[in-house]
Amino acid sequence: DAGVIQSPRHEVTEMGQEVTLRCKPISGHNSLFWYRQTMMRGLELLIYFNNNVPIDDSGMPEDRFSAKMPNASFSTLKIQPSEPRDSAVYFCASNLDSSKNIQYFGAGTRLSVL
Amino acid sequence: GENVEQHPSTLSVQEGDSAVIKCTYSDSASNYFPWYKQELGKRPQLIIDIRSNVGEKKDQRIAVTLNKTAKHFSLHITETQPEDSAVYFCAATWGAQKLVFGQGTRLTINP
Repeated sequence: DAGVIQSPRHEVTEMGQEVTLRCKPISGHNSLFWYRQTMMRGLELLIYFNNNVPIDDSGMPEDRFSAKMPNASFSTLKIQPSEPRDSAVYFCASNLDSSKNIQYFGAGTRLSVL
Repeated sequence: GENVEQHPSTLSVQEGDSAVIKCTYSDSASNYFPWYKQELGKRPQLIIDIRSNVGEKKDQRIAVTLNKTAKHFSLHITETQPEDSAVYFCAATWGAQKLVFGQGTRLTINP
């Protein structure tokens, strides 16, 4: 298995632009997580899905952030409009099911908002 | 909600010596405690984990201990090698599936 796949690996955009990050979980995994990593705040959970359904989005910083999971093999995290303080590394992770807890991380997307 | 405190934030040890990183958690219902290693510019990778029904777990040079009463758990790395240099994160479950991460420990192995 190729593991969790994220794209793009790097994204540089200007303030106010829309940014879309993509994630493909490990095949057969039922849960998907979006994290943000910064030096100041560490690894923060933004939102997670079980069987394509959003379960907890309490970590989403504000309405500018939205996430979708239209099917079991694809999820997006969108920021609109983007701001410089959104600059961070965004990780996607998946796990087999809710009883297992073991999360496998993608390589991340490094976002820079100028 | 769950809060995970990790210490120290930086740790420097001589190659061959042991390293210990400690974490405390607040939610007594937490039942799963993984440790992740993150090399510079790379993804966090699971290196060892422990569940609440076990007090200690070993995997070669790495071990984790859990004290549920005191709500703390520790990572022990013996016979450290240069490739052990990385940032290490502890985590604890919160609710059914959420993981709350500690702030990380930057471990440097000096040759």
